[in-house]
Formats: sequence, structure tokens, C-alpha cells
Amino acid sequence: EVQLVDSGGGLVKPGGSLRLSCAASGFTFSDYTMTWVRQAPGKGLKWVSSISSSSYYIYYADSVKGRFTISRDNAKNSLFLQMNSLRAEDTAVYYCATDRYCSSTSCFDYFDYWGQGTLVTVSS
Amino acid sequence: QSVLTQPPSVSAAPGQKVTISCSGSSSNIGNNYVSWYQQLPGTAPKLLIYDNNKRPSGIPDRFSGSKSGTSATLGITGLQTGDEADYYCGTWDSSLSAVVFGGGTKVTVL
Repeated sequence: EVQLVDSGGGLVKPGGSLRLSCAASGFTFSDYTMTWVRQAPGKGLKWVSSISSSSYYIYYADSVKGRFTISRDNAKNSLFLQMNSLRAEDTAVYYCATDRYCSSTSCFDYFDYWGQGTLVTVSS
Repeated sequence: QSVLTQPPSVSAAPGQKVTISCSGSSSNIGNNYVSWYQQLPGTAPKLLIYDNNKRPSGIPDRFSGSKSGTSATLGITGLQTGDEADYYCGTWDSSLSAVVFGGGTKVTVL
């Protein structure tokens, strides 16, 4: 059974840092593109970042570029999101999800499996 | 303001049909696959439709997807109370080099 377990969320002050993790099991992690999607309280889904299976291709939303870093460890079946210089508008539930495709021109086919989400709250 | 435009809400009686539109442009829907996601209250999103009109295993054929030009549509027939949820369309935007979602549509079963 495919399982994605998100962790690492919490309360952090503006300007602070946080590292999210996503532990994967039940599938060949190294074959999949992985992504982070966030959802602010009461709002819709927003894509954050994606990383190809070998980490060769990496994409970020403009709103997080230069502040967030996505990475993965295929040996440990894990995905990470290092979040620096956090702002109040980064407050959201963060979900990791699997994808099937990533190249130099496109990094999305569909998100077929999702984690349960981890809440990040940025507040003083 | 979302790149893809969806109606905020749709509603119908049990057993009836609803359709949810997702409008975009040539840089996104017009030249890329569309997928649809269902988000029940308090849960993570779930894939409903991928590659415009394909259903993952386990998704009933009451759910259907289509695409024409720069718009896509999700259809739900035989509406059930368990279908009350938020529904999102998503695709790649080649101009933004980003995944874009619609703002979401809340389905209410009257």
C-alpha cells in the first residue's frame, strides 16, 4: 500500500526556518517525481515545488523561490522541504504528493498519491 | 486570483448531475493535460481524473472528465451525499513553468 507521511510542521516566528519531511513507502520512490502543495486555512490548493526522480530537474513557485529548497534522499525514501525566511503568508497545510513526469520543459502529469499534510504556522 | 477559473459552488439534488468547468488559456489547459482532485472536508486531496478523461482504479464511472480547447469539465452523475466536497482542476502552465490549480468548486447536495 502506498503511504506518504508528512511531518515537521509547527509554529515558527516570521523570518524563521523549518524543515518538512515526507516519508514514502509501498512504491519505488526513486521512480517518481515528488512535489509539495500547500493550502492556506480556508483557501485553495497552491503548488510549491517539484523535484524529478533523480533530482536533476527542480521547479519552484515564484512565491517561494530563493527561500525554499526541495530535496530528496532516494536511499531513505524521503522528500524534504527546507523553508527559510518564513512569512505569515506561508502559513498553510503542506502536502507531499507523487507525480509521474518531469523534464526540462514541464514537471507535471498528475498527483496520484498524497500525504496527510503537516501544518505550518508563521506567527509572532 | 487563480490562473484557472472555476465556479465557486454548484449544487443539485441527490441522483442528479452536476458539471464543473475549468477555464484557462493556451499556455495551460490548451496544451497540457488536466487532472481533477476531490477534497472531502478535513482530508487530503484525492485524484479523480487524470490526462483529461482517465479515471484511476477505484474511481466510479459516475465521475467523468473532458477537455475542449482551453477549457475542461468535470461531470458527476448520480449525485450522492458523499460527493459533497471541494473539487480542483490542475495542469501545467508552460509560460509560468509552474503547476496551476483552479480556485476550487464546492459541491453541495441539496
